[in-house]
Parts: sequence; C-alpha cells; structure tokens
Amino acid sequence: SQQGEEDPQALSIQEGENATMNCSYKTSINNLQWYRQNSGRGLVHLILIRSNEREKHSGRLRVTLDTSKKSSSLLITASRAADTASYFCATDDSGGSNYKLTFGKGTLLTVNP
Amino acid sequence: DADVTQTPRNRITKTGKRIMLECSQTKGHDRMYWYRQDPGLGLQLIYYSFDVKDINKGEISDGYSVSRQAQAKFSLSLESAIPNQTALYFCATSDPRSRTREQFFGPGTRLTVL
Repeated sequence: SQQGEEDPQALSIQEGENATMNCSYKTSINNLQWYRQNSGRGLVHLILIRSNEREKHSGRLRVTLDTSKKSSSLLITASRAADTASYFCATDDSGGSNYKLTFGKGTLLTVNP
Repeated sequence: DADVTQTPRNRITKTGKRIMLECSQTKGHDRMYWYRQDPGLGLQLIYYSFDVKDINKGEISDGYSVSRQAQAKFSLSLESAIPNQTALYFCATSDPRSRTREQFFGPGTRLTVL
C-alpha cells in the first residue's frame, strides 16, 4: 500500500503564480522527500526534509513538514512553464540502516505560459 | 554518460513470454531498486537489493524475479508476462551514506504485454 497521498491530483496555474502541493502519510517517518517527473521520464530528487525539521528551502522550493498531522507541503514560487511535471512525495519509514522509499500517486502540475 | 541506464527502453511482448529488463549503474552505489509505475499512479516497489547477496521483495513481487549479477547490475525478469504487467519500469540506486538520502533513477523501460 502507498504511504503518501498527494493533493491535489492535478493543478493548473499561470506562469508566475505559486504552486502548492500537499502530501499526507500514515505512519511515523525518518524523512520525507519530494521528487519531480517529467512526462514518461525517470524521477529526479528535489529536496529532503527530516522528521525533526519543520521547513526547508531550496531555490524556489519551500517544503514544510508537520509530523503531528502527518503531512507535508511543497511550494514552488514564481512558477515557470518548465516546472510542468508530476511531483511525488516519498516517505522513508524503514528505520535503522534499512532504507527504502514509499511513493505517493503524485500531483500533475501544469504551468501555462 | 547517464549514471543509471536501462535496457531496453521500450519493449512489446506477448502473453506468456519470458523477458528481462536490465539496469546498470556507474554511481558505485550498493543499493538498487526496481519499481513499476502505472498511469496516474505512483511508484510501487517490486524488489530491492542492498548488496549483491541481499535481495528483498517489495510490495508487488509476485510474477517477477531479480538477479544482482554485480554491484553495478540488477536485472528484473518476468517469467511469463501477462497483460496487467504492462507498465513503465524504473531502476534506481542509492548510497546509504548519502546525506541527502536520495534515489537516482534510470530513464525507464516502457513494457507492453499483448
């Protein structure tokens, strides 16, 4: 079963606007990661946030994590047409030295020029 | 050159055929993974390997088998392909010592079973 569930499933915005995607999960985690997938291609890692962190920034990306609500959000500011892609959250809940990720179903973001 | 490569990139086969998807990496990572992705869904883990002698089943291993021939190579086999195995298959690698804990994905193999 999948751990993360992204919301919304699809999001369409205009260039320059901000895009916010949410992820909810069910069990305790070590960290949560966000990945991007251009159509039909492999996933690319964007950012990781650890369970003891509440917010992280990377360029135009801002990620928050609320472990009490078991949720995370990814904010892309000043979006560009090139940001059009699917975005997935992935939880690392394996603990210890074992390490595998559980992916959500993703949010399809379309940025219109 | 790509760090994680997959062959073939596209494959059409018939029900009942045995096929093998191959993955090679030059990243020197011990950990390798096979996922499948169905339209509109996230990735589901089929098998993962933490080193050549450590292979583990994932969420959906039924109908699949794997072989870790070397640190750099991890193959996925469908012993008798069926139409509901039509999907996009990804190989990935990771380094447990990495601070970012990220996985690196190959370009994918699009498999169609008729």
